[in-house]
Amino acid sequence: AAGVIQSPRHLIKEKRETATLKCYPIPRHDTVYWYQQGPGQDPQFLISFYEKMQSDKGSIPDRFSAQQFSDYHSELNMSSLELGDSALYFCASSSGQYQETQYFGPGTRLLVL
Amino acid sequence: AQSVTQPDIHITVSEGASLELRCNYSYGATPYLFWYVQSPGQGLQLLLKYFSGDTLVQGIKGFEAEFKRSQSSFNLRKPSVHWSDAAEYFCAVARNFGNEKLTFGTGTRLTIIP
Repeated sequence: AAGVIQSPRHLIKEKRETATLKCYPIPRHDTVYWYQQGPGQDPQFLISFYEKMQSDKGSIPDRFSAQQFSDYHSELNMSSLELGDSALYFCASSSGQYQETQYFGPGTRLLVL
Repeated sequence: AQSVTQPDIHITVSEGASLELRCNYSYGATPYLFWYVQSPGQGLQLLLKYFSGDTLVQGIKGFEAEFKRSQSSFNLRKPSVHWSDAAEYFCAVARNFGNEKLTFGTGTRLTIIP
């Protein structure tokens, strides 16, 4: 079965640079969630989209923005990167307006030097 | 806001022994409950979930969990662990609305000894 696809899988950036992470949900899934997992930490919710509209917002820095496109893929844009942004970024997708199981992608590991 | 507590940071179990990982939640109503497993450097794989109905839920890889409303708990169990079960286990909760974010516990690292 098709799973959530994230690209790139690994990314190395310098401080103050920008990064764009991409997420392709499972086919026919219309909801996308972004989570950040710091080293040795639990995943923390950043932001979510349902039918291309932002549905919820968590502890996402103002330097980050995200959107969901007409084909339901999503991009997380990160600017003015800081050392503390180094983390594993997960995308998850689900189907429907009601709570459904979130299926996670393999994550993008971002290292900021 | 909902929260999740996993009291055990690290558990070591002998291969073939039984396992129970604890999870307690805080929420005003009955939440949706999940257990995910994460191998080193890997993504999160869903083991099982509870939305409603039978309070004992079966999952993949021989895992099961029991929802106990009176104790606000959702403990994960396995009768006999295998070396491949060594991983990080996360309990998560979501409000019983639509498209709700997951709130994770801090995780329990499981080590299996021969």
